[in-house]
Amino acid sequence: QVQLQESGPGLVKPSETLSLTCTVSGVSITNYYWSWIRQPPGKGLEWIGYIYYTGSTNSNPSLKSRVTISMDAPTNQLSLRLSSVTAADTAVYYCARCSYGSGWYVADHWGQGSLVTVSS
Amino acid sequence: SYELTQAPSVSVSSGQTAIITCSGDNLGDKYASWYQQRPGQSPLLIIYEDSKRPSGIPERFSGSISGNTATLTISGAQALDEADYYCQAWDSRQAVVFGGGTRLTVL
Repeated sequence: QVQLQESGPGLVKPSETLSLTCTVSGVSITNYYWSWIRQPPGKGLEWIGYIYYTGSTNSNPSLKSRVTISMDAPTNQLSLRLSSVTAADTAVYYCARCSYGSGWYVADHWGQGSLVTVSS
Repeated sequence: SYELTQAPSVSVSSGQTAIITCSGDNLGDKYASWYQQRPGQSPLLIIYEDSKRPSGIPERFSGSISGNTATLTISGAQALDEADYYCQAWDSRQAVVFGGGTRLTVL
């Protein structure tokens, strides 16, 4: 079955770059859209951005200038980089496989999430 | 920017029907999806394309849309349905948008 596992540093200093990897198993990443979604402690979900296997990406307008999403087909991994982080970027970060159709786009498989704390 | 609005909390007696709503401009022209997030767990897709259930989602979960409001209905709510529920839609300009979430309490 499809499994996603986020990994990366749990602590990042302010102004530095947050980097996370999502390792996918059970399906090739070249067949779907993939999203990064985050959730600050005690708060709701916020979509960060997505990447398609063609390399096409799109990001939340509020984060676009700081977000880089990439994929590596040979290792079946996705990556997220978020630059110039502040305490407001402290959150659980999820990667998710996405399915889509005409007018709809949903995250139908999620990783367990990775807590990233921004603090000096 | 496009926004989806949900009530922060809803409570329902065990065995009764829970109704959770999500509203947004022109939501009726888009498709709504719903996610369940139990405490300490990742979100789970329970409804997509307004009313379709993924494989394995119980029939007591149903979705509908009327005008600018999408509705998630949980028939015969159980203690294990106590969770946060998020609506989500696709907006052509902002791509993926989530509602603020509704915490369901089963009494």
